Amino acid sequence: AQSVTQLGSHVSVSEGALVLLRCNYSSSVPPYLFWYVQYPNQGLQLLLKYTSAATLVKGINGFEAEFKKSETSFHLTKPSAHMSDAAEYFCAVSNTGTASKLTFGTGTRLQVTL
Amino acid sequence: DTGVSQDPRHKITKRGQNVTFRCDPISEHNRLYWYRQTLGQGPEFLTYFQNEAQLEKSRLLSDRFSAERPKGSFSTLEIQRTEQGDSAMYLCASSLVGGRQGGTEAFFGQGTRLTVV
Repeated sequence: AQSVTQLGSHVSVSEGALVLLRCNYSSSVPPYLFWYVQYPNQGLQLLLKYTSAATLVKGINGFEAEFKKSETSFHLTKPSAHMSDAAEYFCAVSNTGTASKLTFGTGTRLQVTL
Repeated sequence: DTGVSQDPRHKITKRGQNVTFRCDPISEHNRLYWYRQTLGQGPEFLTYFQNEAQLEKSRLLSDRFSAERPKGSFSTLEIQRTEQGDSAMYLCASSLVGGRQGGTEAFFGQGTRLTVV
């Protein structure tokens, strides 16, 4: 069975500051890892995915994440936060491919302040 | 293609009533998933279809829940005798398994928010 743990249910950063959202995974096989963003009363939008092709993955809106097997981590970063980044962010794992069912973390709400 | 479409977006129902939600996936996608998301939590897997076959159901899916995908296109999720604990956002997602590029990730609809009063 696979699982993800997102450390920090709420993160607050100033506009222009670094964004770091943490995700640790557990999987018995090489995982597929994803970050999704959810705006209020909306569905989920894929930010980026790791499929073993490269450990540093670049996504949309300036986000990127690095897969670290030794740390079982897949943290999401963005060099400079923008007000529009305020949303809920979910890390997810699948152990059977990019098109397969996902196990999500509990989410991190990102607040961006002026 | 406009993406995954869910209907209705919001549903308020009285306890004990039956409700049905519809999901229209991206047209060429062969997999369709249902997830449930309660307040402050991540989505939880309920069930999925590959074409018209329902291949897996979560233990979260009690006997009051039933899902269908009769022609391998749209899907419906029915909840019978609703309870207040069923109040949640129900998310549908679709993906393509196989294909020339080996498959796609899941694309989500905007969800149906159910409130049971």
